[in-house]
Amino acid sequence: DGGITQSPKYLFRKEGQNVTLSCEQNLNHDAMYWYRQDPGQGLRLIYYSQIVNDFQKGDIAEGYSVSREKKESFPLTVTSAQKNPTAFYLCASSLFGDRGRGGYTFGSGTRLTVV
Amino acid sequence: GDSVTQMEGPVTLSEEAFLTINCTYTATGYPSLFWYVQYPGEGLQLLLKATKADDKGSNKGFEATYRKETTSFHLEKGSVQVSDSAVYFCALTDTETGANSKLTFGKGITLSVRP
Repeated sequence: DGGITQSPKYLFRKEGQNVTLSCEQNLNHDAMYWYRQDPGQGLRLIYYSQIVNDFQKGDIAEGYSVSREKKESFPLTVTSAQKNPTAFYLCASSLFGDRGRGGYTFGSGTRLTVV
Repeated sequence: GDSVTQMEGPVTLSEEAFLTINCTYTATGYPSLFWYVQYPGEGLQLLLKATKADDKGSNKGFEATYRKETTSFHLEKGSVQVSDSAVYFCALTDTETGANSKLTFGKGITLSVRP
């Protein structure tokens, strides 16, 4: 079955470390997104990519970086510049050119904790 | 810009009670509207959607009707179950702003159903 796989499910980071969250999809979707979820704050868009080798900053991109070298993959790196990285991170994907009518497909999330 | 407003939560109901979760929106064009559900520790799942005015989306006993005149997309269920306990997000894409519109999410509301 097609879907989005995020890994790992739980991740622990030490102060000053960079960590990379994986997101892979086999839905043949062109667009991919990263969201951060904190309790009581809903979803906040970090980065998105609508096509391979191109990506755009979302509302809270500072301290994060992404790459989109393959259509199927959109990894997110949480850098040491992100001062409060503890959160639940969600990856999503959607079709290109359907004017949004299909909505998004989400992965099951990665919970990142700073120790 | 586009926005989605959800009623304040949390909401606590007894099993078999009637559920209404309000959602209103502001958009410059003609959006598609969505309800997503998030069970504890998981990603978001598409619950239902409507792509044009007066459309009714339905799934798993939940319904929502796209009301253009009141810019609303309220979620209803006639008889909730304990298993409906989750966070519910209303979202929209403005299909007039381009082929690859992003989703705008509401803040989400937590529903708890007591046995």
